[in-house]
This record gives sequence, C-alpha cells and structure tokens, in this order.
Amino acid sequence: DAGVIQSPRHEVTEMGQEVTLRCKPISGHDYLFWYRQTMMRGLELLIYFNNNVPIDDSGMPEDRFSAKMPNASFSTLKIQPSEPRDSAVYFCASATFYGYTFGSGTRLTVV
Amino acid sequence: AQSVSQHNHHVILSEAASLELGCNYSYGGTVNLFWYVQYPGQHLQLLLKYFSGDPLVKGIKGFEAEFIKSKFSFNLRKPSVQWSDTAEYFCAAANTNAGKSTFGDGTTLTVKP
Repeated sequence: DAGVIQSPRHEVTEMGQEVTLRCKPISGHDYLFWYRQTMMRGLELLIYFNNNVPIDDSGMPEDRFSAKMPNASFSTLKIQPSEPRDSAVYFCASATFYGYTFGSGTRLTVV
Repeated sequence: AQSVSQHNHHVILSEAASLELGCNYSYGGTVNLFWYVQYPGQHLQLLLKYFSGDPLVKGIKGFEAEFIKSKFSFNLRKPSVQWSDTAEYFCAAANTNAGKSTFGDGTTLTVKP
C-alpha cells in the first residue's frame, strides 16, 4: 500500500499564477479531505468529499480556491490566482471510520 | 455542535518525565476517538484509536490513552518521554461509522534532552 500520494511535494510560484495540487487516495477509502496548515492558523479543513461528492466546502477561504474529485482515485485542489498569503503546507487525507491516512503534503510558496 | 478541546497548547518536558495530554470531546451519540502525531516537518500519523471495549488503549512507541466516558475525555499518556517524542499531537473524534473526524487544535510537545 503506497498510502496517500500527493504531488508535487514542493511548489514555488509567482503571485497571480494558477497552482494545481494533486492527490491519490487509498483505494477503498470513501472520504477525502483537503487541509491547509500554517504556523499562524494551524490545521484548517478546506473541503471534504464522500464517495467523490463534495460535502462541505465551507472552509475554502475564497472563490480563488476550487477542488474536484472526478473519480475515486484522484482529486485536485486549484488556486487561481495565487497570492503570497496562500503559502502553506497543503495536506490531503483519505479516510474510513477506522481513521485518517494523510499524504506527505505539498509545501506551497507564493512569491 | 461537535467539538474537541485540547487544553494544553504547548508542553515542555525533560527526558524521562511522564506525559499526560488532555483531550475532551463534545459529541452526541457514541464516538470513535483518535490520537495523531505530527513529527517536525512530517505529516500527521495515527498514534492510537478507541472504538469500543477496554477503555485503556495502547498505541505505538509506548503511548496509551484512556477513555473516560463520564468525563468525555481521552487523555494521552506515556510514562517516560524521549527527545524523539518532540512533535505536535492531535486528538480527534468521530461518530461511530462516520468517516469524518473533528480535530482538536493540537498540543506541541517539546522534550528537552
């Protein structure tokens, strides 16, 4: 089991550019979550899916953020346009009621 | 509303000291309870979990947690901490058979060598 796979591991981009973060969940996990973590705000839930359907996106900070899950094995989080305050580590996690498995995260730096 | 509270934001201990991190939850119905650990620069990993049965749960690396239903608590303990236990610890709760957990704000543990 390769676990939850996120790509890229690091992303440095200029303000105003589009950024796409990718996640491959564990097969058989019916929940998928996107989190953002910073020193100032801690761990924040952005959006989650159940069986590929978005359930709660109330944590998405602005319309610049969007997430999709076109099938059970892939999800994307897109920021367009990106801003310096979006700099953070973005974690994807997949889950069953047995608990969460987190990916290694994408460290995003917007300059 | 469902919530998880971790009362200690930052705990500093010397090696070999005993550890107890508090976690209280507010949930309707029966709950599953979890502790996750995040080592510096890494992602969160499951440390231990409680679903039912023996309220004293043992996890990896010598950690254990006790579920006390009357106190709505699930405190994490370790008899003797090591420098390598320096990490952030998150408590989480979920309704039974639910995949979504509510996480506490985390407790940062610093162990001085």
